[in-house]
Amino acid sequence: AQSVAQPEDQVNVAEGNPLTVKCTYSVSGNPYLFWYVQYPNRGLQFLLKYITGDNLVKGSYGFEAEFNKSQTSFHLKKPSALVSDSALYFCAVRDPLKGGSYIPTFGRGTSLIVHP
Amino acid sequence: ETGVTQTPRHLVMGMTNKKSLKCEQHLGHNAMYWYKQSAKKPLELMFVYSLEERVENNSVPSRFSPECPNSSHLFLHLHTLQPEDSALYLCASSQDWGRGNSPLHFGNGTRLTVT
Repeated sequence: AQSVAQPEDQVNVAEGNPLTVKCTYSVSGNPYLFWYVQYPNRGLQFLLKYITGDNLVKGSYGFEAEFNKSQTSFHLKKPSALVSDSALYFCAVRDPLKGGSYIPTFGRGTSLIVHP
Repeated sequence: ETGVTQTPRHLVMGMTNKKSLKCEQHLGHNAMYWYKQSAKKPLELMFVYSLEERVENNSVPSRFSPECPNSSHLFLHLHTLQPEDSALYLCASSQDWGRGNSPLHFGNGTRLTVT
Protein backbone atom coordinates (compact mmCIF):
# COMPACT_ATOMS: atom_id res chain seq x y z
CA ALA A 1 0.00 0.00 0.00
CA GLN A 2 1.09 3.55 -0.57
CA SER A 3 0.80 6.26 2.06
CA VAL A 4 2.07 9.74 2.72
CA ALA A 5 2.32 11.76 5.92
CA GLN A 6 2.61 15.48 6.50
CA PRO A 7 3.45 15.65 10.20
CA GLU A 8 2.72 19.36 10.65
CA ASP A 9 -0.76 20.82 10.35
CA GLN A 10 0.69 24.32 10.29
CA VAL A 11 4.06 25.92 9.68
CA ASN A 12 4.79 29.51 10.64
CA VAL A 13 7.74 31.42 9.22
CA ALA A 14 8.80 35.04 8.98
CA GLU A 15 9.05 36.66 5.57
CA GLY A 16 12.57 36.39 4.19
CA ASN A 17 13.41 33.30 6.25
CA PRO A 18 13.84 29.85 4.73
CA LEU A 19 10.85 27.52 4.89
CA THR A 20 10.46 23.75 5.02
CA VAL A 21 7.25 21.76 4.72
CA LYS A 22 7.77 18.12 5.61
CA CYS A 23 6.55 15.00 3.84
CA THR A 24 7.32 11.32 4.37
CA TYR A 25 6.02 8.42 2.33
CA SER A 26 5.66 4.66 2.22
CA VAL A 27 5.58 2.63 -1.02
CA SER A 28 6.67 -0.80 -2.22
CA GLY A 29 9.20 0.39 -4.79
CA ASN A 30 10.57 3.67 -6.05
CA PRO A 31 7.95 6.40 -5.63
CA TYR A 32 6.60 9.10 -7.83
CA LEU A 33 6.30 12.16 -5.58
CA PHE A 34 4.45 15.44 -6.08
CA TRP A 35 3.85 18.73 -4.30
CA TYR A 36 0.77 20.87 -4.83
CA VAL A 37 -0.31 24.24 -3.45
CA GLN A 38 -3.86 25.43 -2.79
CA TYR A 39 -4.73 29.09 -2.37
CA PRO A 40 -8.05 30.08 -0.76
CA ASN A 41 -11.11 29.28 -2.87
CA ARG A 42 -8.98 27.69 -5.57
CA GLY A 43 -8.11 24.17 -6.68
CA LEU A 44 -4.78 22.47 -6.12
CA GLN A 45 -1.94 23.65 -8.32
CA PHE A 46 1.04 21.47 -9.26
CA LEU A 47 4.41 22.73 -7.96
CA LEU A 48 6.97 20.03 -8.71
CA LYS A 49 7.54 16.30 -8.98
CA TYR A 50 10.19 13.65 -8.51
CA ILE A 51 10.13 10.67 -10.83
CA THR A 52 13.76 9.65 -11.17
CA GLY A 53 17.22 11.21 -11.46
CA ASP A 54 18.58 14.13 -9.47
CA ASN A 55 17.37 14.09 -5.87
CA LEU A 56 16.94 17.87 -5.79
CA VAL A 57 13.94 18.95 -7.81
CA LYS A 58 13.20 22.57 -8.68
CA GLY A 59 9.67 23.78 -9.32
CA SER A 60 7.46 26.81 -9.65
CA TYR A 61 7.72 30.05 -7.64
CA GLY A 62 11.23 29.29 -6.36
CA PHE A 63 10.26 26.10 -4.54
CA GLU A 64 12.40 22.99 -4.49
CA ALA A 65 12.21 19.58 -2.86
CA GLU A 66 14.79 16.98 -1.95
CA PHE A 67 14.11 13.28 -2.37
CA ASN A 68 15.78 11.26 0.39
CA LYS A 69 15.34 7.54 -0.14
CA SER A 70 16.95 6.43 3.11
CA GLN A 71 14.67 8.68 5.15
CA THR A 72 11.67 8.16 2.80
CA SER A 73 11.17 11.91 2.74
CA PHE A 74 10.39 14.57 0.18
CA HIS A 75 10.47 17.89 2.04
CA LEU A 76 9.47 21.10 0.26
CA LYS A 77 11.80 24.06 0.69
CA LYS A 78 12.27 27.66 -0.30
CA PRO A 79 15.30 29.79 0.62
CA SER A 80 13.34 33.00 1.30
CA ALA A 81 9.62 32.96 2.12
CA LEU A 82 7.14 35.52 0.83
CA VAL A 83 3.84 36.51 2.42
CA SER A 84 2.21 35.43 -0.84
CA ASP A 85 3.47 31.86 -0.23
CA SER A 86 0.88 31.53 2.55
CA ALA A 87 -1.36 28.67 1.41
CA LEU A 88 -2.17 25.00 1.94
CA TYR A 89 0.47 22.56 0.70
CA PHE A 90 -0.16 18.95 -0.23
CA CYS A 91 2.32 16.15 -0.78
CA ALA A 92 1.23 13.19 -2.93
CA VAL A 93 2.73 9.81 -3.80
CA ARG A 94 2.13 7.24 -6.52
CA ASP A 95 3.48 3.70 -6.29
CA PRO A 96 4.51 2.45 -9.75
CA LEU A 97 4.43 -1.12 -8.43
CA LYS A 98 0.83 -0.89 -7.31
CA GLY A 99 -0.17 -2.55 -10.53
CA GLY A 100 -2.63 -0.88 -12.82
CA SER A 101 -3.79 1.77 -10.42
CA TYR A 102 -1.99 5.06 -10.73
CA ILE A 103 -4.17 7.08 -8.42
CA PRO A 104 -2.11 9.29 -6.15
CA THR A 105 -2.46 9.31 -2.39
CA PHE A 106 -2.51 12.81 -0.91
CA GLY A 107 -1.32 13.94 2.50
CA ARG A 108 -3.63 15.83 4.82
CA GLY A 109 -2.08 19.15 3.89
CA THR A 110 0.07 21.66 5.75
CA SER A 111 -1.01 25.25 6.20
CA LEU A 112 1.93 27.58 5.64
CA ILE A 113 1.64 31.02 7.20
CA VAL A 114 4.30 33.57 6.33
CA HIS A 115 4.33 36.59 8.66
CA PRO A 116 5.39 40.03 7.39
CA GLU B 1 -6.83 30.10 -16.12
CA THR B 2 -6.23 26.49 -15.15
CA GLY B 3 -7.26 24.51 -18.24
CA VAL B 4 -9.84 22.69 -16.12
CA THR B 5 -13.11 24.59 -15.79
CA GLN B 6 -15.77 23.78 -13.22
CA THR B 7 -19.29 25.17 -13.11
CA PRO B 8 -21.00 26.41 -11.12
CA ARG B 9 -18.49 27.89 -8.66
CA HIS B 10 -21.07 27.97 -5.90
CA LEU B 11 -24.23 25.93 -5.41
CA VAL B 12 -26.82 25.94 -2.66
CA MET B 13 -29.38 23.17 -2.78
CA GLY B 14 -32.02 21.66 -0.59
CA MET B 15 -31.97 18.01 0.35
CA THR B 16 -34.72 17.14 -2.12
CA ASN B 17 -33.20 18.92 -5.12
CA LYS B 18 -31.43 17.43 -8.10
CA LYS B 19 -28.46 19.29 -9.53
CA SER B 20 -25.36 18.57 -11.58
CA LEU B 21 -21.77 19.73 -11.39
CA LYS B 22 -19.88 20.13 -14.64
CA CYS B 23 -16.20 19.84 -15.40
CA GLU B 24 -14.45 20.47 -18.71
CA GLN B 25 -10.75 20.03 -19.43
CA HIS B 26 -9.02 21.72 -22.36
CA LEU B 27 -5.69 19.91 -21.95
CA GLY B 28 -6.19 16.80 -24.06
CA HIS B 29 -5.84 14.55 -21.02
CA ASN B 30 -7.13 10.98 -20.89
CA ALA B 31 -8.15 10.65 -17.23
CA MET B 32 -10.54 12.66 -15.09
CA TYR B 33 -11.23 12.62 -11.35
CA TRP B 34 -13.76 13.84 -8.79
CA TYR B 35 -12.51 14.70 -5.31
CA LYS B 36 -14.37 15.93 -2.22
CA GLN B 37 -12.62 18.38 0.08
CA SER B 38 -14.20 18.98 3.47
CA ALA B 39 -12.89 21.21 6.21
CA LYS B 40 -10.44 19.47 8.56
CA LYS B 41 -10.49 16.26 6.47
CA PRO B 42 -8.12 14.79 3.89
CA LEU B 43 -8.93 14.95 0.21
CA GLU B 44 -11.39 12.18 -0.62
CA LEU B 45 -11.20 10.52 -4.02
CA MET B 46 -14.70 9.81 -5.31
CA PHE B 47 -14.45 8.64 -8.92
CA VAL B 48 -11.86 8.18 -11.65
CA TYR B 49 -12.45 7.84 -15.37
CA SER B 50 -9.80 6.73 -17.84
CA LEU B 51 -10.64 7.00 -21.52
CA GLU B 52 -14.29 7.55 -20.54
CA GLU B 53 -14.45 4.31 -18.57
CA ARG B 54 -14.92 4.38 -14.80
CA VAL B 55 -11.87 2.76 -13.22
CA GLU B 56 -12.41 3.68 -9.58
CA ASN B 57 -15.47 4.11 -7.42
CA ASN B 58 -14.40 4.79 -3.90
CA SER B 59 -17.46 3.57 -1.94
CA VAL B 60 -19.36 6.72 -2.72
CA PRO B 61 -23.08 6.85 -1.78
CA SER B 62 -25.47 6.37 -4.67
CA ARG B 63 -26.83 9.89 -4.24
CA PHE B 64 -23.69 10.89 -6.20
CA SER B 65 -23.74 9.71 -9.80
CA PRO B 66 -20.86 10.45 -12.20
CA GLU B 67 -21.05 10.68 -15.97
CA CYS B 68 -18.23 10.96 -18.49
CA PRO B 69 -19.66 11.37 -22.00
CA ASN B 70 -16.25 12.02 -23.59
CA SER B 71 -12.65 12.56 -22.56
CA SER B 72 -13.14 16.32 -22.11
CA HIS B 73 -16.26 16.39 -19.96
CA LEU B 74 -17.17 15.02 -16.56
CA PHE B 75 -20.38 15.48 -14.62
CA LEU B 76 -21.43 14.75 -11.06
CA HIS B 77 -25.18 14.35 -10.68
CA LEU B 78 -26.51 15.04 -7.21
CA HIS B 79 -29.85 14.04 -5.67
CA THR B 80 -31.30 13.82 -2.17
CA LEU B 81 -28.09 15.03 -0.58
CA GLN B 82 -27.42 15.38 3.13
CA PRO B 83 -26.01 18.41 4.98
CA GLU B 84 -22.74 16.52 5.55
CA ASP B 85 -22.27 16.49 1.77
CA SER B 86 -21.54 20.22 1.92
CA ALA B 87 -17.95 20.60 0.73
CA LEU B 88 -15.70 21.79 -2.06
CA TYR B 89 -15.92 19.39 -5.01
CA LEU B 90 -12.81 19.34 -7.13
CA CYS B 91 -12.40 17.99 -10.63
CA ALA B 92 -8.97 17.06 -11.97
CA SER B 93 -7.46 15.60 -15.11
CA SER B 94 -4.17 13.94 -16.01
CA GLN B 95 -2.31 12.58 -19.01
CA ASP B 96 -0.62 9.23 -19.43
CA TRP B 97 -2.93 7.38 -17.04
CA GLY B 98 -1.03 4.16 -17.67
CA ARG B 99 2.36 5.47 -16.55
CA GLY B 100 1.33 7.46 -13.52
CA ASN B 101 4.10 10.04 -13.66
CA SER B 102 1.99 12.99 -14.78
CA PRO B 103 0.61 15.46 -12.26
CA LEU B 104 -3.06 16.16 -11.79
CA HIS B 105 -4.48 19.44 -13.04
CA PHE B 106 -7.31 20.71 -10.87
CA GLY B 107 -10.22 23.03 -11.47
CA ASN B 108 -11.13 25.70 -8.92
CA GLY B 109 -13.95 23.61 -7.54
CA THR B 110 -17.64 23.93 -6.82
CA ARG B 111 -18.50 25.05 -3.29
CA LEU B 112 -21.63 23.06 -2.45
CA THR B 113 -23.91 23.90 0.46
CA VAL B 114 -26.77 21.54 1.28
CA THR B 115 -29.51 23.11 3.38
